[in-house]
Amino acid sequence: SYELTQPPSVSVSPGQTARITCSGDALSKKYAHWYQQKSGQAPVLVIYEDNKRPSGIPERFSGSSSGTMASLTISGAQVEDEADYYCYSTDSGGNHVFGGGTKLTVV
Amino acid sequence: QLQLQESGPGLVKPSETLSLTCTVHGGSMSSSIYYWGWIRQPPGKGLEWIGNVYYIGTTYYSPSLKSRVTISVDTSKSQISLKLNSVTAADSAIYYCVRLVALTGTPYFDSWGQGTLVTVSS
Repeated sequence: SYELTQPPSVSVSPGQTARITCSGDALSKKYAHWYQQKSGQAPVLVIYEDNKRPSGIPERFSGSSSGTMASLTISGAQVEDEADYYCYSTDSGGNHVFGGGTKLTVV
Repeated sequence: QLQLQESGPGLVKPSETLSLTCTVHGGSMSSSIYYWGWIRQPPGKGLEWIGNVYYIGTTYYSPSLKSRVTISVDTSKSQISLKLNSVTAADSAIYYCVRLVALTGTPYFDSWGQGTLVTVSS
């Protein structure tokens, strides 16, 4: 079955840039979307279609994609950005797949 | 503003059927660009897509759950439902109701309910 691979954890100091990667064979043909999930809360869409930011999401969140890898970048990470981040896409058969999640620590 | 609200039993016995309902507030279910679906998350683990339904009733299921799951829609009540049969402890999870935006070849979930915890235990 199709898989999206993320690093289990990323740690940065406040104000630094955090980059979370997501790799998958189909990402060269499919968009990646990104979700933020804070403890005890439902996920929130922070980036869709590789690099678009929904209304209300801070400008420090950005996305990019090249080949089979997509990236979520948080420029000037804040303590409130501590959360689990999931990439998501679909495979060639239309099945919806989430990455395993990356725990971002800002300390 | 769109709100999705899950409801249903929080405790289900092994081998029985898990049944949940999601009520959609503040939006039409009959738009051509939206699907509606379910995602679950076992405690402390990642997200797993269960399936989607279009407003006319067309369904799409995860291959790993397809044999046990049924998702249906009732636009007159602004509701979708989830039934998962023959449950085991591995089906214990937070179940989220979601809206899927299907504008491109890679749709995405733009709205989520708050989630409801279902525990499978005797």
